[in-house]
Amino acid sequence: EAQVTQNPRYLITVTGKKLTVTCSQNMNHEYMSWYRQDPGLGLRQIYYSMNVEVTDKGDVPEGYKVSRKEKRNFPLILESPSPNQTSLYFCASSLGLSETGELFFGEGSRLTVL
Amino acid sequence: KQEVTQIPAALSVPEGENLVLNCSFTDSAIYNLQWFRQDPGKGLTSLLLIQSSQREQTSGRLNASLDKSSGRSTLYIAASQPGDSATYLCAVKGEGGSEKLVFGKGTKLTVNP
Repeated sequence: EAQVTQNPRYLITVTGKKLTVTCSQNMNHEYMSWYRQDPGLGLRQIYYSMNVEVTDKGDVPEGYKVSRKEKRNFPLILESPSPNQTSLYFCASSLGLSETGELFFGEGSRLTVL
Repeated sequence: KQEVTQIPAALSVPEGENLVLNCSFTDSAIYNLQWFRQDPGKGLTSLLLIQSSQREQTSGRLNASLDKSSGRSTLYIAASQPGDSATYLCAVKGEGGSEKLVFGKGTKLTVNP
């Protein structure tokens, strides 16, 4: 089944404790992206990747890192999480942003930073 | 800078009604427009994708239209059902190979039995 898989789905952590949210897609998509969704603010893009070893900042990259060493994986790294990073995070992928392909989303990862 | 607006933010209708959700965007130079559905606590599911050269797309009881020149798109849902209750988001992609998607904040639809 074609899908975008995120882990963990739910996580409670404390300020400053490094964490990684993994994202994997099995559709051989070139484009991958991370979003955060907050009440009243909608979906905001954190980072995106057009292909392996190519990443770029989105609208709200501060406090986050990403890597794209393999085509299928695009982990989101919070080196020193803070309470303002409490949010619902989504990973998404598509064939290529320059293509007409639609965007596929993971189920989301709800992160709480205490 | 592209801005996408969805009005109303919430809509409640009785089962069986036909309804229209609205999406407007400020920059008409778009590559495509996509409608999504989001159930509470879940990810987004793509419903319809309209290319800039198209006027509408249909899937089952859903019909999405696009008027680029006026910066508007509508999502028409026929014979609504309680299972259609969800938040519906639209997103536009600007012209150019690397333009990102810009999302609206969504319309929360409740269909009452």
